[in-house]
Amino acid sequence: KAGVTQTPRYLIKTRGQQVTLSCSPISGHRSVSWYQQTPGQGLQFLFEYFSETQRNKGNFPGRFSGRQFSNSRSEMNVSTLELGDSALYLCASSLNTQGGAETQYFGPGTRLLVL
Amino acid sequence: KNEVEQSPQNLTAQEGEFITINCSYSVGISALHWLQQHPGGGIVSLFMLSSGKKKHGRLIATINIQEKHSSLHITASHPRDSAVYICAVDSNYKLTFGKGTLLTVNP
Repeated sequence: KAGVTQTPRYLIKTRGQQVTLSCSPISGHRSVSWYQQTPGQGLQFLFEYFSETQRNKGNFPGRFSGRQFSNSRSEMNVSTLELGDSALYLCASSLNTQGGAETQYFGPGTRLLVL
Repeated sequence: KNEVEQSPQNLTAQEGEFITINCSYSVGISALHWLQQHPGGGIVSLFMLSSGKKKHGRLIATINIQEKHSSLHITASHPRDSAVYICAVDSNYKLTFGKGTLLTVNP
């Protein structure tokens, strides 16, 4: 099976622009989570989706949003980019057939640089 | 105080040494994950556990739910084990991460 894929892998934007990142989970996986990783804050949870529904959201401003499609692919959007949004954005997928905690499989990440 | 505390932050070992990384947490959880991240960013899940102990090759993970503590052990460490090891607690479909332990194993 193919792993989790994320596009694009690298992105350079300027302050005030918006960006959309895409994540394709492993085939059959229905849960997708998004994370932000920075040198200062480490890994932080953004949101989690299952069957097109957001089940939990991290402590990020409303500029960060996401969605999941019926094929389980997910996108996240950041509007009005700030310098501090420069980070590695990771998504992870899991089967989540039983509704509890499951092993997460991480994508390679999208490295976003905001100038 | 962070919800997830890892120690040590940095660890340097000689090849062959036994290594222990600790993780303490302060919230209720459904599971705890140990992750490995190599330079360049890729994250691999090593273990997910909610009780007891798991072993995979030279890696062993234990968790004590009552004490809210988990340990990751590496036996017979090797330079290829050099990476950042991250503990994460799982609650209500959300992972909360420790700051990570940078492990360097010298030949």
